[in-house]
Amino acid sequence: DTGVSQDPRHKITKRGQNVTFRCDPISEHNRLYWYRQTLGQGPEFLTYFQNEAQLEKSRLLSDRFSAERPKGSFSTLEIQRTEQGDSAMYLCASAHGGAGNTIYFGEGSWLTVV
Amino acid sequence: KQEVTQIPAALSVPEGENLVLNCSFTDSAIYNLQWFRQDPGKGLTSLLLIQSSQREQTSGRLNASLDKSSGRSTLYIAASQPGDSATYLCAEGGSEKLVFGKGTKLTVNP
Repeated sequence: DTGVSQDPRHKITKRGQNVTFRCDPISEHNRLYWYRQTLGQGPEFLTYFQNEAQLEKSRLLSDRFSAERPKGSFSTLEIQRTEQGDSAMYLCASAHGGAGNTIYFGEGSWLTVV
Repeated sequence: KQEVTQIPAALSVPEGENLVLNCSFTDSAIYNLQWFRQDPGKGLTSLLLIQSSQREQTSGRLNASLDKSSGRSTLYIAASQPGDSATYLCAEGGSEKLVFGKGTKLTVNP
């Protein structure tokens, strides 16, 4: 069990560019989440997958954001036409089975839009 | 709208002191309440999970309680150590998503 892995850990991009983050959950975890966190705030929910199905999306996830989990394993989060307001840490988390099980977070991917 | 509030925003204590962190929530139909620890620039580490049918959970020097009727949870840390310095976040929710508070930044001074 190697934990939740996220790549890249840090990304600096110019406004208007597209960026993609990857998350590898703990193996056999069927639930995968994306959250966004800015300085001094708690994480905010973005989206949730159960296996390959995207079951819930936050209103925070504008049309410029898209997330996939094609084979129910790793997931990608793409941000198109980045804006300075997208600067944040993007956290991935995974869990196994029912809602009473612990959620495990990755170390996060820091995005800075300049 | 579900809201989670944590007070105080920051707390500084001397080493060895027992302390309590507070969390309040508006969702009376709470499913789970979880406490996490976050070190600067890092991800979150789960500390304790209390299911709605439970009143408390304990792990080592940590004890978390849940009072659904008052909409409150507390995290008790016994005999605090400098290594406990971090931001502590509480979150409520089920399998679909968690709603987090802004956290309490704890500093334990040697």
